[in-house]
Amino acid sequence: GNSVTQMEGPVTLSEEAFLTINCTYTATGYPSLFWYVQYPGEGLQLLLKATKADDKGSNKGFEATYRKETTSFHLEKGSVQVSDSAVYFCALAPLQGGSEKLVFGKGTKLTVNP
Amino acid sequence: DGGITQSPKYLFRKEGQNVTLSCEQNLNHDAMYWYRQDPGQGLRLIYYSQIVNDFQKGDIAEGYSVSREKKESFPLTVTSAQKNPTAFYLCASSPMTGSSNQPQHFGDGTRLSIL
Repeated sequence: GNSVTQMEGPVTLSEEAFLTINCTYTATGYPSLFWYVQYPGEGLQLLLKATKADDKGSNKGFEATYRKETTSFHLEKGSVQVSDSAVYFCALAPLQGGSEKLVFGKGTKLTVNP
Repeated sequence: DGGITQSPKYLFRKEGQNVTLSCEQNLNHDAMYWYRQDPGQGLRLIYYSQIVNDFQKGDIAEGYSVSREKKESFPLTVTSAQKNPTAFYLCASSPMTGSSNQPQHFGDGTRLSIL
């Protein structure tokens, strides 16, 4: 079946540090891939997405590249800020079935200290 | 601004009581979803609906019920059969285009607790 595996948190960084959150997936064919962010007490917001192999999604300084050879979609940011403290979810939507089949990882909590 | 509104933000349930969580969207999306979020477990799909008057069970539908009488509304009832209802509940919506690349849009959630 389809599944998403994220690195376990929590992750604690100092401001301006480099961030990587690993995400690997198992799916039939080539799913669409997403990163969502959840700030405390709020719902999820789409951070970025990629819909085919080698696509790079980017937003607010975050980037992730769809790697079919390693079935990965790692999230990176070159210089994190305190305001980036949140929980980050990797998710996939299978090629068939539409977005109702969205599958989430368990989330990675990031804390950025000043 | 278009978006998804969930209410109430906090809800308390007594033993043996049914409670209903509201979800309204003005994005003109066809599909709507309910998720349950527990610490360390990510999001689990409870129910989803692709069209008015139709809905499907997700992975953890037992103890929950839904209705979809209007396109913009998808209320979730947590029944007394749900023995562990304490969680954060998230409603989402998305367009139905037949492709997998449309992201879901989320409300701000309802936190349900047992008295």
